[in-house]
Amino acid sequence: AQTVTQSQPEMSVQEAETVTLSCTYDTSENNYYLFWYKQPPSRQMILVIRQEAYKQQNATENRFSVNFQKAAKSFSLKISDSQLGDTAMYFCAFTNDRGSTLGRLYFGRGTQLTVWP
Amino acid sequence: ETGVTQSPTHLIKTRGQQVTLRCSSQSGHNTVSWYQQALGQGPQFIFQYYREEENGRGNFPPRFSGLQFPNYSSELNVNALELDDSALYLCASSRTGGARLYEQYFGPGTRLTVT
Repeated sequence: AQTVTQSQPEMSVQEAETVTLSCTYDTSENNYYLFWYKQPPSRQMILVIRQEAYKQQNATENRFSVNFQKAAKSFSLKISDSQLGDTAMYFCAFTNDRGSTLGRLYFGRGTQLTVWP
Repeated sequence: ETGVTQSPTHLIKTRGQQVTLRCSSQSGHNTVSWYQQALGQGPQFIFQYYREEENGRGNFPPRFSGLQFPNYSSELNVNALELDDSALYLCASSRTGGARLYEQYFGPGTRLTVT
């Protein structure tokens, strides 16, 4: 069974500082995809960043980057130069690339990030 | 490019009633997935539709059913509503094939309250 665990229910950071959100997952598959989604109070789930398991290089999107440790099944999100607009619930998600669960996203319970001025 | 839209935004129903939620896919997307997000939880996969057929289902009872239309829009139907069905229902569309297969773009959701 695929599971995603986010152990930090809440995090806070000062504006312009850096924060790291943690995520671990469990799967027996070798090929899969990992994502971080952001859900602000507007409820719209927004894709922040994605990582393919077969790529060793960590993904980066502007101020957002990941630390993907495949052996440890760890996938953390680093937000640099935090902005007030980053305040949101952040979800880590996983999907296989084959089989009956193809394309199905498994989500963690989320981490509520608050950025303070 | 038009994003994913959902209707209605909010809905209040009584236990035992039936409800239909609607979703319009993002332009160019042919796969639609539905998720249920209970308060304080991450979204849970309900089912996925591809080319008008169900293409995978999560751990939800048969009273949760769906449709996908030729224009790739979709409906989620829930019969015999229960109090625990109160949640945010999210629709996500994606495009099969190539590197974009697994990027699902979400709509703003429908907040369903069952009383």
